[in-house]
Amino acid sequence: DAGITQSPRYKITETGRQVTLMCHQTWSHSYMFWYRQDLGHGLRLIYYSAAADITDKGEVPDGYVVSRSKTENFPLTLESATRSQTSVYFCASSDFDRGMNQPQHFGDGTRLSIL
Amino acid sequence: GNSVTQMEGPVTLSEEAFLTINCTYTATGYPSLFWYVQYPGEGLQLLLKATKADDKGSNKGFEATYRKETTSFHLEKGSVQVSDSAVYFCALSEGGGADGLTFGKGTHLIIQP
Repeated sequence: DAGITQSPRYKITETGRQVTLMCHQTWSHSYMFWYRQDLGHGLRLIYYSAAADITDKGEVPDGYVVSRSKTENFPLTLESATRSQTSVYFCASSDFDRGMNQPQHFGDGTRLSIL
Repeated sequence: GNSVTQMEGPVTLSEEAFLTINCTYTATGYPSLFWYVQYPGEGLQLLLKATKADDKGSNKGFEATYRKETTSFHLEKGSVQVSDSAVYFCALSEGGGADGLTFGKGTHLIIQP
């Protein structure tokens, strides 16, 4: 089915480990985004990408790395996980080729717990 | 920088009650404004949007009007249903959204039968 999928849905890991969250979209949208959702903070932008090989920092990029070698994939890596990175992570995509103010389409999220 | 302020709740209403969720914003330019809804265990979905002052966005019985003079974008619905129970996020973007959205903290809405 067409859409945006995130994997895994749930992940438990330990501090100091590297973990990668995957995001895949089938619409060929040019723009993709990573947000984290924390109680009391709403969603905050981590990184975004306008196209393959083009990425930019958002509001809270520290401790995260992204890549975008293909349009449809936008993985997010925590190089050395910390407890403060325990959160729910959402990937989104948008088709700004159709004009501005297009909706962002969100995946179902990855709930990450760091012990 | 930009920011969005909304009541966090939970807001508990009876079915068929009138709903208002307040949203105010701070922005350096002329933002576009959005309401997103999140059902349990799911990602966010766009509910409605308005891109300039005095625009009214509407969808599924929900409405919100972009008020530049009061920097507000309050969400309203005349008669809520149990199925409207969800978390509602007000958000803004500048530059058309290509550099992401700034979200409020979300309002948890509970509708009782």
